[in-house]
Amino acid sequence: AQSVTQLGSHVSVSEGALVLLRCNYSSSVPPYLFWYVQYPNQGLQLLLKYTSAATLVKGINGFEAEFKKSETSFHLTKPSAHMRDAAEYFCAVSAKGGSNYKLTFGKGTLLTVNP
Amino acid sequence: EAGVAQSPRYKIIEKRQSVAFWCNPISGHATLYWYQQILGQGPKLLIQFQNNGVVDDSQLPKDRFSAERLKGVDSTLKIQPAKLEDSAVYLCASSLVDLRYSPLHFGNGTRLTVT
Repeated sequence: AQSVTQLGSHVSVSEGALVLLRCNYSSSVPPYLFWYVQYPNQGLQLLLKYTSAATLVKGINGFEAEFKKSETSFHLTKPSAHMRDAAEYFCAVSAKGGSNYKLTFGKGTLLTVNP
Repeated sequence: EAGVAQSPRYKIIEKRQSVAFWCNPISGHATLYWYQQILGQGPKLLIQFQNNGVVDDSQLPKDRFSAERLKGVDSTLKIQPAKLEDSAVYLCASSLVDLRYSPLHFGNGTRLTVT
């Protein structure tokens, strides 16, 4: 079984400040990890993914995430927040269950960026 | 490329009525997913198709939900009869191949309100 826990349902930062969104996972097999972003009234869009290559993964819009196996974490960061980063962010884990890779999402973290 | 198309965008029905949602995936994408996103939660997989065959429907409430993907392209998701707890956004997604190697592309979703 696999699961994802996102710490903090709501994070608020000032424009230009560091963004840190936390994600911890549980998986009995080596996982694939993803971060998706959802803007209001839209579907989800892939930000970045970890697939067992480099542990530091760079994504779109200046975001990056680091896979830490010892901490079972995959936190999302961005050095300097922009107003356009305001959205909901979902961490997701995929591991093989039977013959199929299933994607399990966390509950999401709403990011607010203050001017 | 054109994105994943879903219709309708919004639907309001009374409990015990039936409703259907339609999805047109990105051309050439073999895998199609239906997710249910309840307010304040992450998306939950309802059913996954590979071409026109069902790969995973373990979380689909089969007593009231049904889905089909005729000819391996468009798909419809039906609820009959609807319950209040079915109020959610229903997201359709597609991917070219295995989600480990190609991202899920999401539609904008159908927001269902059951009164």
